[in-house]
Amino acid sequence: NAGVTQTPKFRILKIGQSMTLQCAQDMNHNYMYWYRQDPGMGLKLIYYSVGAGITDKGEVPNGYNVSRSTTEDFPLRLELAAPSQTSVYFCASSYSTGIYEQYFGPGTRLTVT
Amino acid sequence: AQSVTQLDSQVPVFEEAPVELRCNYSSSVSVYLFWYVQYPNQGLQLLLKYLSGSTLVESINGFEAEFNKSQTSFHLRKPSVHISDTAEYFCAVSDYSGTYKYIFGTGTRLKVLA
Repeated sequence: NAGVTQTPKFRILKIGQSMTLQCAQDMNHNYMYWYRQDPGMGLKLIYYSVGAGITDKGEVPNGYNVSRSTTEDFPLRLELAAPSQTSVYFCASSYSTGIYEQYFGPGTRLTVT
Repeated sequence: AQSVTQLDSQVPVFEEAPVELRCNYSSSVSVYLFWYVQYPNQGLQLLLKYLSGSTLVESINGFEAEFNKSQTSFHLRKPSVHISDTAEYFCAVSDYSGTYKYIFGTGTRLKVLA
């Protein structure tokens, strides 16, 4: 199993550009998550999904969009990139919530200049 | 959980010395508790978890954590650290208040010195 994969690993965007961060998991997990990690701030939940076709906002959704058309894929779309979106983005998945651990991808380091 | 607090943002410790990374949470209901580790330039991975039963849980690489309900704590300890333990450690809490919420602490950066 590859687990949770993310592409790209690194990306530099100019202000106002758009991009999609890809995330895929091969563990047949129902739940998927997008977090951003800023130094000293821990993880902030951007969006999450409890199954194909179902998504919901997390703590910091502004400036982002998601879709979940399949169980495996959960792309994160950045529209009109801003310097405040410079961060490391992690995708994660879990079988369910409650007692279940989350499995994380390796992250995407995004810089907006 | 209403909140998860990791009081120490950075902990330097010499190799082979003991270490304790602190985690406190606030919740009025039953909780599930997790510690994750993030090695440099990697994603988080589960280190250990408490779901029920014995309040002392252990990982395969010598870490242990104890659930203390009265003090709402889940501190992580290791009696003798190695250089390879240098990483960031995140405490996480899951509880149920109509729906499950999973909250991460802000992380503690453990730096093991030679």
